[in-house]
Amino acid sequence: DTAVSQTPKYLVTQMGNDKSIKCEQNLGHDTMYWYKQDSKKFLKIMFSYNNKELIINETVPNRFSPKSPDKAHLNLHINSLELGDSAVYFCASSQEGGFYEQYFGPGTRLTVT
Amino acid sequence: SQQGEEDPQALSIQEGENATMNCSYKTSINNLQWYRQNSGRGLVHLILIRSNEREKHSGRLRVTLDTSKKSSSLLITASRAADTASYFCATDSTNFGNEKLTFGTGTRLTIIP
Repeated sequence: DTAVSQTPKYLVTQMGNDKSIKCEQNLGHDTMYWYKQDSKKFLKIMFSYNNKELIINETVPNRFSPKSPDKAHLNLHINSLELGDSAVYFCASSQEGGFYEQYFGPGTRLTVT
Repeated sequence: SQQGEEDPQALSIQEGENATMNCSYKTSINNLQWYRQNSGRGLVHLILIRSNEREKHSGRLRVTLDTSKKSSSLLITASRAADTASYFCATDSTNFGNEKLTFGTGTRLTIIP
């Protein structure tokens, strides 16, 4: 059974389009995250939700809008895609906060052309 | 700003040898975690060491933490080809009362069969 799943795995789209990435975890965790990993493998947190409530927003452009319909799901919608948005996006979950290990999804490779 | 920095950036060793990776960080922490990332995959948690611990073992992994020097090391003993991956340290920090993990730059480990 997959603990943290993301769809799609690959996403190729043109500049200006709007796209969404979905994430689901079946671990019963309260906290979920979105990370962006750039071409140099640098991993940076974008958002964190605890029990459907946004708790961390790391100065991400407001073209990025996370949505958590319930604590097992955290989706990421991106408007007006730009070339610089090309990256691998990872969803993760954990028990509350940074005190615990995080479980990562397989990633979504977004390519904007 | 980036919290953790791994050293070296890349490491190639023969199978069976030991591999040591180092991580330095800047601010005080509650815990430090190590993750592995195989090519094209999500991160996998390896070990968590709390600020009041100095050493921790898990199978062939040994992690040390020196809070006075703000540094940690990950030792993989008797390396195997399957250990080829990128290894990241991550430190927790508090963002307006909410904990988050900040990942280092990673060490790319290659085990030569």
